[in-house]
Parts: sequence; C-alpha cells; structure tokens
Amino acid sequence: NAGVTQTPKFRVLKTGQSMTLLCAQDMNHEYMYWYRQDPGMGLRLIHYSVGEGTTAKGEVPDGYNVSRLKKQNFLLGLESAAPSQTSVYFCASAPRQGGAYEQYFGPGTRLTVT
Amino acid sequence: KQEVTQIPAALSVPEGENLVLNCSFTDSAIYNLQWFRQDPGKGLTSLLLIQSSQREQTSGRLNASLDKSSGRSTLYIAASQPGDSATYLCAVTNGNQFYFGTGTSLTVIP
Repeated sequence: NAGVTQTPKFRVLKTGQSMTLLCAQDMNHEYMYWYRQDPGMGLRLIHYSVGEGTTAKGEVPDGYNVSRLKKQNFLLGLESAAPSQTSVYFCASAPRQGGAYEQYFGPGTRLTVT
Repeated sequence: KQEVTQIPAALSVPEGENLVLNCSFTDSAIYNLQWFRQDPGKGLTSLLLIQSSQREQTSGRLNASLDKSSGRSTLYIAASQPGDSATYLCAVTNGNQFYFGTGTSLTVIP
C-alpha cells in the first residue's frame, strides 16, 4: 500500500525556472492538500482540492498554481521560482467521512531555489 | 483566522517519565483535531484524531483529550522512551482547511 507519494524528493532550481511537483494517492480520497514547511513557521496551506476538477486557495497561494485533473493526482506548479520558495513541500490527502477528515501525508519534497 | 499554539516549543525528559504536550486554538468551530509526529527530515505520521463530538482518544501509551469550548487539547505520553523523541504537531480543521501549530520538539534522555 503506497499511500501518498511525492515526486521528486529533492530539487534545486535557479531563480526564474519553473517546475511541477506531483502528488499521488491510492486511497481514493476526495480531499488533497499542498503545504510548505519552513523553520519556525510550521506548516502552511498553499492550495487544496475537495474533489476531482476543483481547487481552492489556502493561506499562502501566491506564486503557485495547482491542478487536479484526476482524483488520485494533485499537481503543484511554480511558474517562476524565487528564493523565498525554498522550503519543504508536503502533500496530504483525506477522505470525506462525516467529521473525520483524517489527513495522510507524503514524505515531502525538499526544494532549493538559488 | 484560526491560530494554533503549542507550548512548550521544546521539552527534554528522562526516560520513563509521563509527560503532557499542550495545543490551544482560537476558534472553537472545528470538525476535528489531529496529533502528528514528525521525525527529522521525514513526513508527518498521524497519531490520534479526535472528532469535535469526542472528548478523548487513546492509542497505546498515548492519550489525547479535547476541550472544544476552551480551545484546548493535550497529548499525554505515558512511560516515555527514547524512541518517542520527535516533533509533535497538532492541527485543527473547519472541514476544508487545516491549521497547524509550530510543534513541540521532544527529547527523551536514556
């Protein structure tokens, strides 16, 4: 059982370059999330999706775009990377089960923008 | 905006001690509260989830309580072990978004 997987695990970008982070889950969860984790700031929600074909902004969406074309995949795009986007990015998914919404996390992607 | 606070930021205890980690939140209109463990360089592992209608949940040596009206949760760890050393995070949700605390870094000294 793979759970939530993230690709790639590490990446170094130059300022202005673009890239896409892929999140995949095999648990048939309706909800998916992208977070960034920075020292001293905890996890902050970038974007989320409550179902296939839907996306919504979280707390820190600027500079990022997302797409959820298939229920099992949630893509996070950086169009023009900036050093401020150096962070660890986590993807999570959750089932829609009454009031549960228990989140399951991927292993993370460490991104450095130089 | 929901604010989640965890106190203390760091805690060091000798092996075998019982300990309590605290989590507080400003908006009591939550669906659930979830406690996670994060090891250095790793992702988050779910420990316990308490739904808004529940008062506590237990798993092995862990017990989490929730007082929604006062905006507080505690995570009780019994008979701590060196393997419990990690950062513990709490998160609350309003059904769409999740809000995390900055965590408590726990060190259990053999």
